[in-house]
Amino acid sequence: EVRLVESGGGLVQPGGSLRLSCAASGFTFSRYAMHWVRQAPGKGLQYVSAITTNGDRKYYASSVKGRFSISRDNSKNTLYLQMGSLRPEDMAVYYCTRAPVLQLVDYWGQGTLVTVSS
Amino acid sequence: QSVLTQPPSASGTPGQRVTISCSGSSSNIGSHTVHWYQQLPGAAPKLLIFDSNQRPSGVPDRFSGSRSGTSASLAISGLQSGDEADYYCAAWDDSLNGNVFGTGTKVTVL
Repeated sequence: EVRLVESGGGLVQPGGSLRLSCAASGFTFSRYAMHWVRQAPGKGLQYVSAITTNGDRKYYASSVKGRFSISRDNSKNTLYLQMGSLRPEDMAVYYCTRAPVLQLVDYWGQGTLVTVSS
Repeated sequence: QSVLTQPPSASGTPGQRVTISCSGSSSNIGSHTVHWYQQLPGAAPKLLIFDSNQRPSGVPDRFSGSRSGTSASLAISGLQSGDEADYYCAAWDDSLNGNVFGTGTKVTVL
C-alpha cells in the first residue's frame, strides 16, 4: 500500500522558517518524482514544487521561488520542503504527492497544516 | 494562481449526467494531457482520470474524460450522492515549468 506521511507543520511567525518532511513507503521511492502541493483554507489546489527521481532537477512555483527549497533522501525514502521567509499567504495544508512521471501526480498524503501568524 | 478555468459549481439529481469543463491554453492543455482529481469533504485529493481519458484501477467507468485543443472535460454519469465533492483538473505548463490546477468545481447532488 502506498503511504505518504507528512510532518513538520505547525504555527510559525511571518518571516520564519519551517521544514516539512514526507515519509514514503509501499513503493520504490527512488523511481518516482515527487511534488509538494498546497491548499489554503477553503481554497483550491496550488502547485508548490517538484523534484526528479535523483534530485538533479527541481522546479518551483513563482510564488515560492527563492524562499522554498525541495530535496529528497532516497536512502531514507523521505522528501523535504525547507520553507523560509514565510508569509501569511503561505498558510495552507501542504500535501506530499507521488509522480510516476514528472507531469502526473497519482498519490497524495493526508497533508500537514502550516499556519503563519503572529 | 490557477491558469485553468473551471465552473465554480455543477449539480444534478441522482442518475443524471454532469459535465465539468476545464479551459486552458497552448502552453498547458494544448501541449499536455489532462488529469482530474476528486476531493471529498475533509479528505486529500484522489486521482480520478489521467492522461485525459484513462481511469486508474478502481475508478468506476461512470467517470470519463476528454480533451480537445486547449480544453478538457470530465463527465460523471449515473450521478450518486457519494459523488458530492470538489473536482480539479490539472496539466503541466511549459511556460511556468510546473503543474497547474484548475479553479475547482463543486458538484452537488440535488
